[in-house]
Amino acid sequence: DADVTQTPRNRITKTGKRIMLECSQTKGHDRMYWYRQDPGLGLRLIYYSFDVKDINKGEISDGYSVSRQAQAKFSLSLESAIPNQTALYFCATSALSTSGSGSYEQYFGPGTRLTVT
Amino acid sequence: RKEVEQDPGPFNVPEGATVAFNCTYSNSASQSFFWYRQDCRKEPKLLMSVYSSGNEDGRFTAQLNRASQYISLLIRDSKLSDSATYLCVVNDINAGNMLTFGGGTRLMVKP
Repeated sequence: DADVTQTPRNRITKTGKRIMLECSQTKGHDRMYWYRQDPGLGLRLIYYSFDVKDINKGEISDGYSVSRQAQAKFSLSLESAIPNQTALYFCATSALSTSGSGSYEQYFGPGTRLTVT
Repeated sequence: RKEVEQDPGPFNVPEGATVAFNCTYSNSASQSFFWYRQDCRKEPKLLMSVYSSGNEDGRFTAQLNRASQYISLLIRDSKLSDSATYLCVVNDINAGNMLTFGGGTRLMVKP
């Protein structure tokens, strides 16, 4: 079973609709992240959470909100979807590496392909 | 200036070739470095961490030059399955060890 899962995997919605993308993890990591990726562009951070009571905006949080329901769950909402939110959305998790390197490698879910018409 | 810069490519190489990618980073406080691989429309996956002394994993060798603030990835004996986008990633210890991703270098290995 995948350690980081995202639902739905694909979604087509209309402008103005509210939608929620969900992310669950079984890795036991404290940190969770939401990114979007547009064709030919790199990953851009939307929101991140270092633990259940901690929520932080990333570089492109406008138009999005998040909820950290539990250590294992982190949801991303688009309150009123617009066409330029059409993108591939990734959830990721991380924790302090057990290798002693002091690093926080991130592990990604399979992505949600969102199309807003 | 971008925090992590990579040549977007594509690098088109024949099977069996050796290919190298470089990446430069601007944050001198960075202490952890990684290479991720991303296949088309798939999630990024950790390929390897980059250690100060350099490290090797099979056909892949990663090196770090702190003085010049660049990281390299060398792939020997390229396979068709190596075709992907390679992301250079560094941490920011002043921002809770958040990771900053480069835009990626696309590699296409041809028969």
